[in-house]
Amino acid sequence: AQSVAQPEDQVNVAEGNPLTVKCTYSVSGNPYLFWYVQYPNRGLQFLLKYITGDNLVKGSYGFEAEFNKSQTSFHLKKPSALVSDSALYFCAVRDPRNNDMRFGAGTRLTVKP
Amino acid sequence: EAGVVQSPRYKIIEKKQPVAFWCNPISGHNTLYWYRQNLGQGPELLIRYENEEAVDDSQLPKDRFSAERLKGVDSTLKIQPAELGDSAVYLCASSLEANSPLHFGNGTRLTVT
Repeated sequence: AQSVAQPEDQVNVAEGNPLTVKCTYSVSGNPYLFWYVQYPNRGLQFLLKYITGDNLVKGSYGFEAEFNKSQTSFHLKKPSALVSDSALYFCAVRDPRNNDMRFGAGTRLTVKP
Repeated sequence: EAGVVQSPRYKIIEKKQPVAFWCNPISGHNTLYWYRQNLGQGPELLIRYENEEAVDDSQLPKDRFSAERLKGVDSTLKIQPAELGDSAVYLCASSLEANSPLHFGNGTRLTVT
């Protein structure tokens, strides 16, 4: 079965600075990769996905992610962080052969003014 | 489009009591997922349906948990009897196809006392 690792429990950045939230994955075959954000007392909200094509994908709220097959990584990035970006971020990998979707443990992003 | 609807939002019960959660997915979404999310952790898959068929229930504690999706639309997850360790947020999600993101409901927060 596929798996996802988010090596950082917490990421702290200052507002206006670039941010990176790391994700590595393990899956047989070509992965479908996703990033989600979760605000308090809410379900997960979709940010962006990589299915095929360009390794750099752009998503909601100015976020982007880079797929790196050789490093089996899919790091989430944003050029200039906002305080309102503070939330829990989850990376997920899907096995396209069976729709099985697995999530990482999450990274809490805190953006300080 | 209407999102994934879950009810109730909150449930507090005493241990050994039964509890049920309901989910109405987005219309036309054939794949339905139930996840359990403990505080500060990522969602863990409990069961996945393709239409009315449970195609992955390997993570469902079958001695006390059951689920159904009789007409391939809405779904119910039941716990009987509940234990203290079942306290968590139960998330329902649906998706259209393998390269589509999951759409999540706001979850049901269960507290077992």
